[in-house]
Amino acid sequence: GQNIDQPTEMTATEGAIVQINCTYQTSGFNGLFWYQQHAGEAPTFLSYNVLDGLEEKGRFSSFLSRSKGYSYLLLKELQMKDSASYLCAVRDSNYQLIWGAGTKLIIKP
Amino acid sequence: IAGITQAPTSQILAAGRRMTLRCTQDMRHNAMYWYRQDLGLGLRLIHYSNTAGTTGKGEVPDGYSVSRANTDDFPLTLASAVPSQTSVYFCASSPGLVSDTQYFGPGTRLTVL
Repeated sequence: GQNIDQPTEMTATEGAIVQINCTYQTSGFNGLFWYQQHAGEAPTFLSYNVLDGLEEKGRFSSFLSRSKGYSYLLLKELQMKDSASYLCAVRDSNYQLIWGAGTKLIIKP
Repeated sequence: IAGITQAPTSQILAAGRRMTLRCTQDMRHNAMYWYRQDLGLGLRLIHYSNTAGTTGKGEVPDGYSVSRANTDDFPLTLASAVPSQTSVYFCASSPGLVSDTQYFGPGTRLTVL
């Protein structure tokens, strides 16, 4: 079967750095997405990785290792508004997105 | 309209009733999707449409139907609602199927009693 694993919840301090991990086992791989979802709102796109390595976009970076079936989202200089759920999704061989359950990130002052 | 809109925002429905959730996008995207989101689970694909006039089944299609008469609209119908269909429903669209980011509507919170 297909599976995306993420930690259920993480806590970090304002101004710090946090790394959210995602491991996957899917039938085929055609890219990995990270989305942010604030409570009661729609998911919004953060990043996309299809090749191994690090993609940096401002305070957010995303890393992919296809051989290990592993990705992480790195958030720097945390702000209170970063409190949200972070969703990892993999596009499989049928070009459908398989979603993890999400990681709820709590930022404390 | 800018982006994707969904209606209604929320709905309480008696079991056995028929319900249509509406989704409209103004971005001229070819592909559209319906997901449900339940606590502790990832988003699950119900149905999708790669282009107007075509539809396909996702991971959890039973009890749901869709149509895609034109590019902009992708309604989701529950023919006879059951309590297990209580969920938050998100409509999404993407320019195409391959390597394209999906953009989400604001969601519909549906409660079936």
